[in-house]
Amino acid sequence: DIQMTQSPSSLSASVGDRVTITCRASQRISNYLNWYQHKPGNAPNLLIYAASSLQSGVPSRFSGSGSGTDFTLTISSLQPEDFATYYCQQSYGAPLSFGGGTKVEIK
Amino acid sequence: QVQLQESGPGLVKPSQTLSLTCTVSGGSISSGAYYWSWIRQPAGKGLEWIGRIYISGYTNYNPFLKSRVTISVDTSKNQFSLKLNSVTAADTAVYYCTRGGSSGLEGMDVWGQGTTVTVSS
Repeated sequence: DIQMTQSPSSLSASVGDRVTITCRASQRISNYLNWYQHKPGNAPNLLIYAASSLQSGVPSRFSGSGSGTDFTLTISSLQPEDFATYYCQQSYGAPLSFGGGTKVEIK
Repeated sequence: QVQLQESGPGLVKPSQTLSLTCTVSGGSISSGAYYWSWIRQPAGKGLEWIGRIYISGYTNYNPFLKSRVTISVDTSKNQFSLKLNSVTAADTAVYYCTRGGSSGLEGMDVWGQGTTVTVSS
């Protein structure tokens, strides 16, 4: 099974900050990596698929990069509505698996 | 626009079977372009993938639940379902149904709103 490790588990940032979250897979997964945003009381929302493709309707301040085992989600300028928990997820093979999440909080 | 809606009991007794249904609206569940999946989130914890089904009936399950879980599809009702046997308090969670792209590269782009299931006597 493929294990996904995210870091950090939480971070504090201010509006306008550039934020970077990393995700590491326990084996090579090519670009089968997705990122989700999850706000309390809501369903998770797909932000990035195939490591770097922006899902339709997602603001361009979100971007993803990486391939193989190491991946990054970047928010170029943090907005108030971006405070949430972010998860990476591998879709390379079953069982699908998520990272532990990164909670982005207001500084 | 495709929407998913979970339904089922919010309270299940220990040792009994948790049964949830996901109704697909705005599109056909029979499209071969997708798989249909269940995910859960225990309170205060992260997302756990339970399993998925393709329209062919092919399924994958998470090994940590495999012996207790069954996912099925009913194309006549445009629904898919989850059954989890022998539940314990550890199965208390918010359960989501989702749609994922069958190539694996598209991610899970449609989610239900989630339904809370509590296991308690």
